[in-house]
Amino acid sequence: NAGVTQTPKFQVLKTGQSMTLQCAQDMNHEYMSWYRQDPGMGLRLIHYSVGAGITDQGEVPNGYNVSRSTTEDFPLRLLSAAPSQTSVYFCATRRDSNAWAQYFGPGTRLLVL
Amino acid sequence: KQEVTQIPAALSVPEGENLVLNCSFTDSAIYNLQWFRQDPGKGLTSLLLIQSSQREQTSGRLNASLDKSSGRSTLYIAASQPGDSATYLCAVPYSGGGADGLTFGKGTHLIIQP
Repeated sequence: NAGVTQTPKFQVLKTGQSMTLQCAQDMNHEYMSWYRQDPGMGLRLIHYSVGAGITDQGEVPNGYNVSRSTTEDFPLRLLSAAPSQTSVYFCATRRDSNAWAQYFGPGTRLLVL
Repeated sequence: KQEVTQIPAALSVPEGENLVLNCSFTDSAIYNLQWFRQDPGKGLTSLLLIQSSQREQTSGRLNASLDKSSGRSTLYIAASQPGDSATYLCAVPYSGGGADGLTFGKGTHLIIQP
């Protein structure tokens, strides 16, 4: 039981490049979400999903796309990376609407040059 | 919009002391509040979750309290140890237009001196 896994751990991109941050969970949790963590700003919600096929925007969605084709996976796509997207990205899950405890992955550190 | 504030931003104390970390939130209509621990370069580990109907939760040397009416929560750490050194974050369910997720404070960076 690996919990929440994220790949890659670290990535360097050039401005304008695209990439996908992977998040996978083996707990059969319905809810998944993406956060970014920046110095002085704390963690902020990017996108979230309440089940396969259902996604919605959080506080800072611009520049990011998500999809949820399976319960297990919730990838985050950067279509055209910008230096402002340099951050640490965390994926989180929770079991369902009746369970509030959230479980976080180890994070992906992204540097956009 | 919900705002979460944590005081102090940083704290350094000698080993063995009891200490209190503070968290305040602006919208008292919350279902729960969670405290997390984050070690440098790592993800977040859930420490305690207090439901809105509860006043406190305990886990080992940690005790968290919740006062919804005043918009405050405290995390009490007893007999602090160097291994407690980390950043402690509090979070409440996101209240921005029905989105699911958490609103976080910026954290208290705690150093326990041996």
